[in-house]
Amino acid sequence: TQLLEQSPQFLSIQEGENLTVYCNSSSVFSSLQWYRQEPGEGPVLLVTVVTGGEVKKLKRLTFQFGDARKDSSLHITAAQPGDTGLYLCAGDYNTDKLIFGTGTRLQVFP
Amino acid sequence: KAGVTQTPRYLIKTRGQQVTLSCSPISGHRSVSWYQQTPGQGLQFLFEYFSETQRNKGNFPGRFSGRQFSNSRSEMNVSTLELGDSALYLCASSGQGGRYGYTFGSGTRLTVV
Repeated sequence: TQLLEQSPQFLSIQEGENLTVYCNSSSVFSSLQWYRQEPGEGPVLLVTVVTGGEVKKLKRLTFQFGDARKDSSLHITAAQPGDTGLYLCAGDYNTDKLIFGTGTRLQVFP
Repeated sequence: KAGVTQTPRYLIKTRGQQVTLSCSPISGHRSVSWYQQTPGQGLQFLFEYFSETQRNKGNFPGRFSGRQFSNSRSEMNVSTLELGDSALYLCASSGQGGRYGYTFGSGTRLTVV
């Protein structure tokens, strides 16, 4: 069974703080995708990383793919209330079938 | 460019009934996937269709089925509904292959009573 563990499960912080979310697996991914989901809506793709060691930046969000392509992290700098949501990592094993992580629920208070 | 459209948004059904959910992918996208999201199990893969053929299937009972039409629109069907089938059902489409990411619809919230 392919599993993707995310940590932490919940995160409650003040506006302006930094945070990091981790996504780990024992299997090697073809790609690793990060999504954000808001209540009552579907997940929205933030980024896709495909190369081991790859780092991608999206404004205040920094995504890193582990060298061995088994893990990834999402770092948010100076979090804002608009960053509140459920963050999901998802691994693709080149099968057009995503395995989703357990999710990190982020709440940013003003 | 229209996104992925799922209908209906909300549905209430009685245990034992059957239900059909619809998904219209982004124009030009030929791959359509379905996922079930519940608080306890998270997002789980149901199946994936490409050019009217089911390419992948998740670990769900045979009561869950789907199909894709020649215009890439897809439907999923759940027969003999159980209380545990209550969930948000999400459809996603991809134009370049799942490796590069998916666009999800807003989902259909199914409640079985």
